[in-house]
Amino acid sequence: EAQVTQNPRYLITVTGKKLTVTCSQNMNHEYMSWYRQDPGLGLRQIYYSMNVEVTDKGDVPEGYKVSRKEKRNFPLILESPSPNQTSLYFCASRPGYGNTIYFGEGSWLTVV
Amino acid sequence: KNEVEQSPQNLTAQEGEFITINCSYSVGISALHWLQQHPGGGIVSLFMLSSGKKKHGRLIATINIQEKHSSLHITASHPRDSAVYICAGLDNYGQNFVFGPGTRLSVLP
Repeated sequence: EAQVTQNPRYLITVTGKKLTVTCSQNMNHEYMSWYRQDPGLGLRQIYYSMNVEVTDKGDVPEGYKVSRKEKRNFPLILESPSPNQTSLYFCASRPGYGNTIYFGEGSWLTVV
Repeated sequence: KNEVEQSPQNLTAQEGEFITINCSYSVGISALHWLQQHPGGGIVSLFMLSSGKKKHGRLIATINIQEKHSSLHITASHPRDSAVYICAGLDNYGQNFVFGPGTRLSVLP
C-alpha cells in the first residue's frame, strides 16, 4: 500500500530537548516536504527536498533542520524546541513535478 | 492580503445539496491542488489541476487560469463529505506550495 509514515504521531516534550520526527515513503518519490498547521494560519511549508541531498527552505524554516540522505526518508529535526513550535506537523511526498501529493497522518507536537 | 483566498470560510448544507467552494489566487502558479482534511486530521489530495476541469465521482474541480480562480463542486452532498477543503497553489518552479485558509463544510443529514 502506498503511504507516507510519520512518527511519532503524538508527542509532548519540554523546551530545549532535541527531537526528531521521522518521515518515510514507500513510493520512490523524488519530492518530499514538511508542513505545520496552526489554527488561523493554515498550512505552511517548513522545508522541502527535490531529491537526495537536495533540500531548501519553505516559508517558516526557523528552528527546524532536515536531511535527505536516502530517497525514502526525510526527518524533521527540532534542535531546541520552543513552545511556539507546538503544532500539527505533516510530511508529504510526490513523484516530481505536477503530480498528486500524498500526506502522512500528521504528528501532534506539544512543547511545554 | 493572502496570496490564496477561499470562500466561504464555513458552509453548512443539507444532505443532497449542490455545493461550491471557491479559490482565488494572486500569485503565479503552475498547478492548483484541492485537498480534503477530515476531522481526524488526515489530508487527502482530491485533484491537481493546471487547466480546464476534472471530475471524480461526485466531485468536480475547475480552474480558470486567466481569472486566477478555481472552484470545487460537490454534487448530491452527503454527511461523509463533512471536512475542511483546502486549495493550494504550486509555484512556477514546482517546489513551494501556498495554501488557502480552508473551507469548513458540514453536511447535515
